[in-house]
Amino acid sequence: GDSVTQMEGPVTLSEEAFLTINCTYTATGYPSLFWYVQYPGEGLQLLLKATKADDKGSNKGFEATYRKETTSFHLEKGSVQVSDSAVYFCALIHPGNQFYFGTGTSLTVIP
Amino acid sequence: DARVTQTPRHKVTEMGQEVTMRCQPILGHNTVFWYRQTMMQGLELLAYFRNRAPLDDSGMPKDRFSAEMPDATLATLKIQPSEPRDSAVYFCASRIRDSEAFFGQGTRLTVV
Repeated sequence: GDSVTQMEGPVTLSEEAFLTINCTYTATGYPSLFWYVQYPGEGLQLLLKATKADDKGSNKGFEATYRKETTSFHLEKGSVQVSDSAVYFCALIHPGNQFYFGTGTSLTVIP
Repeated sequence: DARVTQTPRHKVTEMGQEVTMRCQPILGHNTVFWYRQTMMQGLELLAYFRNRAPLDDSGMPKDRFSAEMPDATLATLKIQPSEPRDSAVYFCASRIRDSEAFFGQGTRLTVV
């Protein structure tokens, strides 16, 4: 069945450091891929998405590229800020199906 | 600004009591999900509906949990009787066709 595997956390970085959170998936066909972010006490919010191979999703300085050859969708940001501290979830969905979420990666950015 | 609305935001109840959580999906969205989030298990899918029909509720303990959509603007999740291990944050999310899922802010349930 479909599944998503995320890099284990927690991750602690200094402000302005480079961020990578790894995500790989197992799925048949061509799912859509997503990164969601959850701030403390809040629900999940969509951060970015990609719907086909080689698409790059980007938002708020975050980027992720849909790599079908490596079944990956790694999240990157060149310079993190304290306000980026949150839990990040990778997810996939086939049209008409349910979402499959990774376990989440907690990020703390220290000044 | 369209959003998924969940009520109540917080609920504290005694073991054995019935708990009802409500969700108003975004108008026009035809798929609704219920998730449970705990520190130990992370985000678990409990059930989901399309066009008000249940498609998958295999993640839900059937003996005490039930999920329904009385109409297109309301989804409910009931626990009867509640137990301390049900303490968690319960999220509702909705989507339409191939859009992303839009999440509510959750109901934080504490069963004492």
